[in-house]
Amino acid sequence: EVQLVESGGGLVQPGGSLRLSCAASGFSFSGYWMTWVRQAPGKGLEWVANIKQDGSEKYYVDSVKGRFTISRDNAKSSLYLQMNSLRVEDTAIYYCAKDRQYRSPSCYDYWGQGTLVTVSS
Amino acid sequence: DIQMTQSPSTLSASVGDRVTITCRASQNINSWLAWYQQKPGKAPKVLIYKASSLESGVPSRFSGSVSGTEFTLTISSLQPDDFATYYCQQYNSYPRTFGQGTKVEIK
Repeated sequence: EVQLVESGGGLVQPGGSLRLSCAASGFSFSGYWMTWVRQAPGKGLEWVANIKQDGSEKYYVDSVKGRFTISRDNAKSSLYLQMNSLRVEDTAIYYCAKDRQYRSPSCYDYWGQGTLVTVSS
Repeated sequence: DIQMTQSPSTLSASVGDRVTITCRASQNINSWLAWYQQKPGKAPKVLIYKASSLESGVPSRFSGSVSGTEFTLTISSLQPDDFATYYCQQYNSYPRTFGQGTKVEIK
């Protein structure tokens, strides 16, 4: 059974940092692109970043470029999102998602339960 | 960035109704479009990928179609479990973008 479990969310002041983790199991993690998607309270979905199976390619939405870094550790079947210089508008539930197609970026067939990041003074 | 314009934003319907949700892309996305269903407090669930392919385990009352840059999600006979918010997403180019969502409510 595929499972994605996020952790690391919490309350942080503007300008602060957080590192989100996503522990994956039940599939061959090293064979899939992985993605972070966020959802502000009461709002729609926003794609944040994704990473190729070997970490050699990474893409970001403009609003987080230079502040967020996506990474992965295939030996630990884990995905990460390092978030620096956090802003109030980064407040959201952050979901980790598995790309559907083996070795190719695609849509997302499995999602974690999400972890809430609140940026507030 | 590719804009995904979804309509309507809210839809009131009854059990048994045929429901149609539309998503228009601002440019060609080569049918790289997915539809997701999200219920309150839950993660999204993929229903349709590549514009018209039904995800495994998804009921056949859900279907997707495309005409140019206009994509449609159809629920042939709305069931009580289908009251939720639906999102389209393009995965043709970066950044990936979602539609703003369509909330399907009980009439």
